[in-house]
Amino acid sequence: EAGVTQSPTHLIKTRGQQATLRCSPISGHTSVYWYQQALGLGLQFLLWYDEGEERNRGNFPPRFSGRQFPNYSSELNVNALELEDSALYLCASSLAGRGNTIYFGEGSWLTVV
Amino acid sequence: GENVEQHPSTLSVQEGDSAVIKCTYSDSASNYFPWYKQELGKRPQLIIDIRSNVGEKKDQRIAVTLNKTAKHFSLHITETQPEDSAVYFCAAKSGGSNYKLTFGKGTLLTVNP
Repeated sequence: EAGVTQSPTHLIKTRGQQATLRCSPISGHTSVYWYQQALGLGLQFLLWYDEGEERNRGNFPPRFSGRQFPNYSSELNVNALELEDSALYLCASSLAGRGNTIYFGEGSWLTVV
Repeated sequence: GENVEQHPSTLSVQEGDSAVIKCTYSDSASNYFPWYKQELGKRPQLIIDIRSNVGEKKDQRIAVTLNKTAKHFSLHITETQPEDSAVYFCAAKSGGSNYKLTFGKGTLLTVNP
């Protein structure tokens, strides 16, 4: 069974541009989570989607947004990129409902220059 | 919101020794506490978790203890091996209607042969 898959693996963007990251959850999982892992800051919660709806959002500005598609895949959009947005963006998925184990993808490295 | 503190940030042990990593959380309604291991360049992977109705859980060389009164939980690794070297993250699931898994900042464990 395939795990959580993310694309692209690496992305280099210029400050001010937009970045789009994509995630496919494990088959059967309806919840998708996005985390930012910047150096030395651990895993910062960005967004949670379930059944196509945004359920919760972390302390990030509105230029971080996303959506979940009917097939439960998801994309994360980061507008007006800033240098400090450079990080590993991890997507995770879980079965519906709360308290279920979340499984991470390998992540997408975003570098803003 | 939930706040998770993790200590120490780095830990170096000799092969065969035990390692202990401690975390505290702020939300008394939190009820799910997973631990993830992240090897260099890889995704975080769940190694053990505990729910608030249990005080201790063990899986071979790994154990987790939970003290709800003091709002802290710990990861214990016995008979450490070089392959245990990685960054370990604790996390706590916030109480309430919105699912949010808040992570500690991680502990870099180095097991010296």
